[in-house]
Amino acid sequence: QVQLVESGGGVVQPGRSLRLSCAASGFTFNTYGMHWVRQAPGKGLEWVAVISNDGSQEYYGDSAKGRFTVSRDNSKNTMYLQMNSLRTEDTAVYYCTRGGVPYFDLWGRGTLVTVSS
Amino acid sequence: DIVMTQTPLSSPVTLGQPASISCRSSQSLVHSNGNTYLSWLHQRPGQPPRLLIYRISNRFSGVPDRFSGSGAGTDFTLRISRVEAEDVGVYYCVQATHFPWTFGQGTRVEIK
Repeated sequence: QVQLVESGGGVVQPGRSLRLSCAASGFTFNTYGMHWVRQAPGKGLEWVAVISNDGSQEYYGDSAKGRFTVSRDNSKNTMYLQMNSLRTEDTAVYYCTRGGVPYFDLWGRGTLVTVSS
Repeated sequence: DIVMTQTPLSSPVTLGQPASISCRSSQSLVHSNGNTYLSWLHQRPGQPPRLLIYRISNRFSGVPDRFSGSGAGTDFTLRISRVEAEDVGVYYCVQATHFPWTFGQGTRVEIK
């Protein structure tokens, strides 16, 4: 079954760190770039980051630069998002989604990150 | 960063009637390779987004043909020829020509 499953969300205090995971199955993971997209409660979609299929290239949205790092382990069919120095405005559902042609053709159900003291 | 502006932000529609959403970008979305990376997504309440249209006018697999996309350069449109109950939700345009990729604010479609 072709799917993406996010995990690792939870409640964290401002300034702390959290690592999200995205487990892929049912397709050849190492042939696709992968993205993180987030959605604050009641708000729209915001692109966070992308990593190339082999992990050699990464790009970040403005809110993620310098604080978030995207990585992947193709041997485990898993992508990660390391989030440091978390802020209350990082509270959101974080989705992983597949790149390629066309991009955003497959989405996970998301994992909720709540940054609160 | 490219700013994507959708209009309207809310669209009450009658079942069976057409609907149209506009998306304008602050810069041309024509890539140096000649392609235009503009897609449309649909999100129902409590669900992740799903891809409808990619590269302006290509319907994704399984998307009904009542959905169509058009446009060029900086102006793009999503049309629903006859709205059905399952079409309610929020529609987003997204550009992938320039980093960082950016979404429109979303347009909420609801049934009158």
